[in-house]
Amino acid sequence: DAGVIQSPRHEVTEMGQEVTLRCKPISGHDYLFWYRQTMMRGLELLIYFNNNVPIDDSGMPEDRFSAKMPNASFSTLKIQPSEPRDSAVYFCASRPTGGESYNEQFFGPGTRLTVL
Amino acid sequence: AQSVTQLDSQVPVFEEAPVELRCNYSSSVSVYLFWYVQYPNQGLQLLLKYLSGSTLVKGINGFEAEFNKSQTSFHLRKPSVHISDTAEYFCAVSDGTYKYIFGTGTRLKVLA
Repeated sequence: DAGVIQSPRHEVTEMGQEVTLRCKPISGHDYLFWYRQTMMRGLELLIYFNNNVPIDDSGMPEDRFSAKMPNASFSTLKIQPSEPRDSAVYFCASRPTGGESYNEQFFGPGTRLTVL
Repeated sequence: AQSVTQLDSQVPVFEEAPVELRCNYSSSVSVYLFWYVQYPNQGLQLLLKYLSGSTLVKGINGFEAEFNKSQTSFHLRKPSVHISDTAEYFCAVSDGTYKYIFGTGTRLKVLA
């Protein structure tokens, strides 16, 4: 298995532009998580999905952020409009419901977002 | 509410010396505990986890951790570190739901 795949790995954009981050979870994993990592706030959970349905989006900072999971193999995190304070590394993670690794989250390599 | 405290933001240690990275948590319910490692410009990788059973948990790369319920701690140890262990280490707690609460991380710097 290729692991969790995220694209792009790096994104540089200007304030006010729309940004879309993409994630492909590990096949067979029913849960998908979006995190944001900054020096000031550490790792924050933004939202998570179970079977493509958003379960908890209480970590989404504001209405400029939205996330979707149209099918089991794809999710997006969109920021519109972007602001400099959104600059961070965004991680996607997935986990299975059962099996030996059922309580383990598998992380992607992250997308480093810079908003100028 | 749950929380995780990693008291040391940075830990420098010489190669082949032992190291302990501290993690304390608070929770009103039973917990699952995890240590993840993040190498530069990479995602997080699971080192070890405590779900139940033996309080001494062995993980990858020679790391181990001990769950101490009375002290609400889950410290990570390695008897002899290598240069390649230089990374950031995160402790996380889960109450059995699907959410993790992460600590702020400890940056381990192994010196030659």
